[in-house]
Amino acid sequence: KAGVTQTPRYLIKTRGQQVTLSCSPISGHRSVSWYQQTPGQGLQFLFEYFSETQRNKGNFPGRFSGRQFSNSRSEMNVSTLELGDSALYLCASSHRSRVGTEAFFGQGTRLTVV
Amino acid sequence: KQEVTQIPAALSVPEGENLVLNCSFTDSAIYNLQWFRQDPGKGLTSLLLIQSSQREQTSGRLNASLDKSSGRSTLYIAASQPGDSATYLCAAYHQGGSEKLVFGKGTKLTVNP
Repeated sequence: KAGVTQTPRYLIKTRGQQVTLSCSPISGHRSVSWYQQTPGQGLQFLFEYFSETQRNKGNFPGRFSGRQFSNSRSEMNVSTLELGDSALYLCASSHRSRVGTEAFFGQGTRLTVV
Repeated sequence: KQEVTQIPAALSVPEGENLVLNCSFTDSAIYNLQWFRQDPGKGLTSLLLIQSSQREQTSGRLNASLDKSSGRSTLYIAASQPGDSATYLCAAYHQGGSEKLVFGKGTKLTVNP
């Protein structure tokens, strides 16, 4: 079955612009989470969506927002981009089964802000 | 607040060696713990998932253990190969209904031919 798909794979944006990243989860998975990965901070949780509702949010400014659609696809938006937003953005889809919750990640979107 | 630490940050070994990667967490109220592998510039590949009720999990040359009481997990790699070179990350799920993962900063493994 198809894995988690993130688009685009690479983006170059200018400070002050906004950007939208997309994530298509594994079919049947209703939970989608977003993470930011930088060399200095490692992987940090941004937010989690389940059935179109934000269930959890990390410690990021309000410039970072997201949403989930009825087909479980999710988008993440960053407004007024700053140089420090340059990072690999990873999306994970997950579901709970009798063996517990397991997350599967996409290949990420590499965002460079110049 | 859950904190996950991985030691060492980097490890270089000759091919064929057995090795252990360590992961510690501060809050023992974890739901599951998952080990991942990340190749440079790529996403994360799930290696092993350990439920909180389990002590260990095995897949091929990999074995992961979990000791909630001591707040530790280890990933054992047998007969390492150059293709095992990557960054290994452990992540904890916290109890409470969320599927948020708290990650360690990873161990960068280099296996030399």
